[in-house]
Amino acid sequence: GENVEQHPSTLSVQEGDSAVIKCTYSDSASNYFPWYKQELGKGPQLIIDIRSNVGEKKDQRIAVTLNKTAKHFSLHITETQPEDSAVYFCAASITGNQFYFGTGTSLTVIP
Amino acid sequence: DVKVTQSSRYLVKRTGEKVFLECVQDMDHENMFWYRQDPGLGLRLIYFSYDVKMKEKGDIPEGYSVSREKKERFSLILESASTNQTSMYLCASGQGRNTIYFGEGSWLTVV
Repeated sequence: GENVEQHPSTLSVQEGDSAVIKCTYSDSASNYFPWYKQELGKGPQLIIDIRSNVGEKKDQRIAVTLNKTAKHFSLHITETQPEDSAVYFCAASITGNQFYFGTGTSLTVIP
Repeated sequence: DVKVTQSSRYLVKRTGEKVFLECVQDMDHENMFWYRQDPGLGLRLIYFSYDVKMKEKGDIPEGYSVSREKKERFSLILESASTNQTSMYLCASGQGRNTIYFGEGSWLTVV
């Protein structure tokens, strides 16, 4: 089955700096890659996603890039703010019936 | 907005008890999922369902069962709770090849 690895497991940045979280996947058939943000005590919420026919997608301060050849995708957060502090999960899916998640990155933005 | 509601947020049960975790979604989604979240292990799929009365095992189905009698409702059942099932349980729903949406989570402690 699919295996998704996520790095780093923890990340601390100064407010205003950029944060990058990277994920790799093993199954070249995976074609959908969502990113979730999970705040303390809450369920994960979708923040951005990308499909395999696209190399990059942006939404304000958040962007995701996908390299199908290398089988990795990354989340980029620019101009970080304290409210960006949370746990971030990447995921990969082929059919939409099975989602394979990374182990999460705990991001801390230091004011 | 998609709403996935997990009726019990915090539960404390005794070893050997039968536990029901209920999940309801309001978007007429075909697919529903139960995940377990543990620190350092990310989200692991217990069961998913792609239609009423249909179910598929995920990665860690042992000790769990599920029920989907109506399209909007997906229940997770622990027939005989054990302490190693103390965890956060997340329900999710989705449609086709699109993303899945999570509930707020149910924190289960088995003593």
